[in-house]
Amino acid sequence: RKEVEQDPGPFNVPEGATVAFNCTYSNSASQSFFWYRQDCRKEPKLLMSVYSSGNEDGRFTAQLNRASQYISLLIRDSKLSDSATYLCVVNTNAGKSTFGDGTTLTVKP
Amino acid sequence: DAGVIQSPRHEVTEMGQEVTLRCKPISGHDYLFWYRQTMMRGLELLIYFNNNVPIDDSGMPEDRFSAKMPNASFSTLKIQPSEPRDSAVYFCASSLGVREETQYFGPGTRLLVL
Repeated sequence: RKEVEQDPGPFNVPEGATVAFNCTYSNSASQSFFWYRQDCRKEPKLLMSVYSSGNEDGRFTAQLNRASQYISLLIRDSKLSDSATYLCVVNTNAGKSTFGDGTTLTVKP
Repeated sequence: DAGVIQSPRHEVTEMGQEVTLRCKPISGHDYLFWYRQTMMRGLELLIYFNNNVPIDDSGMPEDRFSAKMPNASFSTLKIQPSEPRDSAVYFCASSLGVREETQYFGPGTRLLVL
């Protein structure tokens, strides 16, 4: 079993749709959590950190459930420019980062 | 700031040749990470440094791979001898801290070993 698992998708949605991605992690000692975005043939870039209380940044909402070892990302009113691969990242206290394989999103007109 | 700089951006070499990938982290960042990305295995952490000292190299695939960080502004990842299965995109990233800090990735080096 992988340390960080994501549904690979692809998710194909129309503009304006709401889409949710899930991520589970196996290491209960994990301390910090992130969502990164990676465009085709580009480097990953931080989308948002994920806090225990949940956090929102515009159309994006991230949630963390430590008991279930589960992270989610919700995108509302999706735009064409949201098309990308979304990577779930989990850090241990020792600083090791483990990336999920990513979920691919395509937003269509 | 120019961000994380990697060179070369593309490398095509023949099996058995030595490959050296270079990285300049963002000035002031104490942590530097080397990753490898393939379709089959996704993004894998190979090694990371704190203040130029290797902290965790458990992701380095085998002895053919080595990484150094002689100073705060430069790191290399060397593959000797290279094999076709080493073909991948190699990313370097840097951050201020490690747990809560954002990692900033370079543009990557696309390596093809024939």
